Amino acid sequence: DAGVIQSPRHEVTEMGQEVTLRCKLISGHNSLFWYRQTMMRGLELLIYFNNNVPIDDSGMPEDRFSAKMPNASFSTLKIQPSEPRDSAVYFCASSFQGRSGYTFGSGTRLTVV
Amino acid sequence: GENVEQHPSTLSVQEGDSAVIKCTYSDSASNYFPWYKQELGKRPQLIIDIRSNVGEKKDQRIAVTLNKTAKHFSLHITETQPEDSAVYFCAAGAQKLVFGQGTRLTINP
Repeated sequence: DAGVIQSPRHEVTEMGQEVTLRCKLISGHNSLFWYRQTMMRGLELLIYFNNNVPIDDSGMPEDRFSAKMPNASFSTLKIQPSEPRDSAVYFCASSFQGRSGYTFGSGTRLTVV
Repeated sequence: GENVEQHPSTLSVQEGDSAVIKCTYSDSASNYFPWYKQELGKRPQLIIDIRSNVGEKKDQRIAVTLNKTAKHFSLHITETQPEDSAVYFCAAGAQKLVFGQGTRLTINP
């Protein structure tokens, strides 16, 4: 298994543009978590899904952020429109039933200029 | 919701000495307590975890202790080596994990 796969690894975009981050879960995992990491705020949980259903999106900072899980193995996190304060490393992680340790993807480093 | 506090924020120890990182949590419903190691520019990686029905767990040079009554848990690294230098995160939760702010551990040769 290739692990949790995120794309792109790096994204530089201009303020106001739409950004889409992608994540492929480990086969057999059914829980998916999106985290944002910054120096100031550490690792913040944005949203998580169980069996494709969003369970808790209380960490999503604003309506500019949205996440989907169109099937059991894939998720997207979209920011529209993007702002400089959205610059961070975005990680997705997956687990089985949400009960075990997460496996993180390599992250997407987003820079909004 | 859950709140996790982690101390210290930075820790410097001599190679071969022990390092201890401590965390407290607030939600008594939390029953899973993993620790992650993150090297510069890389993903957090699980190094050890403990569940609330266990008080202590050891894996070679790494051990974790849990005190559910006091709501705190600790990571112990013995015989530290330069490759142990990284940022370490504790986390607590049940369905979802809340992470501490991290401890930057530096091992001095």
